Amino acid sequence: QQQVKQSPQSLIVQKGGISIINCAYENTAFDYFPWYQQFPGKGPALLIAIRPDVSEKKEGRFTISFNKSAKQFSLHIMDSQPGDSATYFCAARTNDMRFGAGTRLTVKP
Amino acid sequence: DAGITQSPRYKITETGRQVTLMCHQTWSHSYMFWYRQDLGHGLRLIYYSAAADITDKGEVPDGYVVSRSKTENFPLTLESATRSQTSVYFCASSPGTGAGPQHFGDGTRLSIL
Repeated sequence: QQQVKQSPQSLIVQKGGISIINCAYENTAFDYFPWYQQFPGKGPALLIAIRPDVSEKKEGRFTISFNKSAKQFSLHIMDSQPGDSATYFCAARTNDMRFGAGTRLTVKP
Repeated sequence: DAGITQSPRYKITETGRQVTLMCHQTWSHSYMFWYRQDLGHGLRLIYYSAAADITDKGEVPDGYVVSRSKTENFPLTLESATRSQTSVYFCASSPGTGAGPQHFGDGTRLSIL
């Protein structure tokens, strides 16, 4: 059973739009929440991460929003570009990392 | 070039055969991980290693064996392959567990017929 539930499975956004991917978890022992980006034929790459004592973290066009009381966190990609088209995974860590099932993002030009 | 190298990139084998997937990293990271990636499941941890000669089970260890005699190498062996082990396997490394797996290899696509 998935400890980290990710939605949507796939997402299509127009160039310049905002992409939003959501994740929810149950285990309150999770203490680190990263997002990974994966291009076809490549391994995942760490994109951005947040700890639960912070409600938001921004790095360039990528922002994580974290809601501890709701046990939810989300990735926002501002001004989405075709080069952002990839699969995105959220994850959460206690003793080991648990991954969401992934979201395939397509940004149309 | 620094990085993680996995070999082979593609492998086809038959049920019951032994197969070993190789992983080599050049950063001298202490932690190394093996994940399998299946549609609808994301990545699931098979085994990890905190240092040479120290390994531990992850979420889905059954049917797999690992060893780590040198810091830079972390091979994964399927002792008697089954069709359910058909998957894409990723090796990863990290200087410590605080940030989880930071660098991934490009994966080995394994098909078991």
